[in-house]
Amino acid sequence: LAKTTQPISMDSYEGQEVNITCSHNNIATNDYITWYQQFPSQGPRFIIQGYKTKVTNEVASLFIPADRKSSTLSLPRVSLSDTAVYYCLVGDRSDSSYKLIFGSGTRLLVRP
Amino acid sequence: NAGVMQNPRHLVRRRGQEARLRCSPMKGHSHVYWYRQLPEEGLKFMVYLQKENIIDESGMPKERFSAEFPKEGPSILRIQQVVRGDSAAYFCASSSLPTGSNEQFFGPGTRLTVL
Repeated sequence: LAKTTQPISMDSYEGQEVNITCSHNNIATNDYITWYQQFPSQGPRFIIQGYKTKVTNEVASLFIPADRKSSTLSLPRVSLSDTAVYYCLVGDRSDSSYKLIFGSGTRLLVRP
Repeated sequence: NAGVMQNPRHLVRRRGQEARLRCSPMKGHSHVYWYRQLPEEGLKFMVYLQKENIIDESGMPKERFSAEFPKEGPSILRIQQVVRGDSAAYFCASSSLPTGSNEQFFGPGTRLTVL
């Protein structure tokens, strides 16, 4: 599975847009990019998944350039409750990808 | 539809005791995954089970750790003769299909503290 690199931490203020970029230089053709969110003392929660270009849901947007060697999770107008660790995962969506591989993630702190 | 349930949420054991962690998957899910998370680190895969079968235990330590998912009842992660290094948060996830990515739903975890 492709190794991912994310910033260790980010700070933001309420109401701002936050963009977290993940590098995955060795991404394979069949790999998808998935982001999970983990609040303190809770299990990770799926946020969004994409393969190329742009994906948007009610929570976030995911931007993936043509070469797919990086991706950016965009959180619009963050609130204090968005303070969490955000993990970028890259892997094949086939049966063999059940071993989710989490890096250290990006710790986002949203300040009032 | 209740989510993945884990109990206990917190477990304290002394060195040498046994720890039993339980996981009830989401209704209709027959695939269970256990992960371990040390402080300030990401989750690490331990074992993948399907009803009554261990599919992949490559992430589980060879000694003292075992897992089961019986036909009836929750999945159990058992740690015998616990040591301080076993202190961690243990998360269970479940899915309806044997695939990764967005199809794994996580429980709240069990925080094991070994004194």
